[in-house]
Amino acid sequence: DAGVTQSPTHLIKTRGQQVTLRCSPKSGHDTVSWYQQALGQGPQFIFQYYEEEERQRGNFPDRFSGHQFPNYSSELNVNALLLGDSALYLCASSLPNMLGHEAFFGQGTRLTVV
Amino acid sequence: DQQVKQNSPSLSVQEGRISILNCDYTNSMFDYFLWYKKYPAEGPTFLISISSIKDKNEDGRFTVFLNKSAKHLSLHIVPSQPGDSAVYFCAASNTGTASKLTFGTGTRLQVTL
Repeated sequence: DAGVTQSPTHLIKTRGQQVTLRCSPKSGHDTVSWYQQALGQGPQFIFQYYEEEERQRGNFPDRFSGHQFPNYSSELNVNALLLGDSALYLCASSLPNMLGHEAFFGQGTRLTVV
Repeated sequence: DQQVKQNSPSLSVQEGRISILNCDYTNSMFDYFLWYKKYPAEGPTFLISISSIKDKNEDGRFTVFLNKSAKHLSLHIVPSQPGDSAVYFCAASNTGTASKLTFGTGTRLQVTL
């Protein structure tokens, strides 16, 4: 079982650019959530996808958007990047039908905006 | 507004002794609580959880205690081992939103020889 995999592991972008991060969930999981972890902080919930739809959303602007594909993999898109978007972006997957509280995380994508 | 708080940013414990990590929450809608461990350059790893209908849950060396009236939970690690050195995050959710987790800021545990 490969667990949750994310790509790329590191990324450097310029202010104003757009970025796409990718995630494949753990086998058997169909719910994918994205979190942002700033330095010295805990992960903050961005949004969650289930059945290819955004089901829940945290307090993040519309510049943050996502997508889930039929194979349950997911993308996180961030437009008009700001310096403050520099963070570790974590993808987590969880049990079907949102029955499980436990989320299983990937290793994250470290995004640096310069 | 920090709904889940870990007021100790760091903790140092000798190998073999007990480590106690604390967490407080303010949102009374939370009914499920989790602890995650994070090593550098890795994602958080699920450690142990507890439902609000219980006040204690054990898994090997790890025990989580929940005091609902105080809105407080703690993670006990006995005995502590050097491999336990990591950042520990407390997280909370509620049944209505399941795997949407609200995290604390973390406590860095160092287990010394």
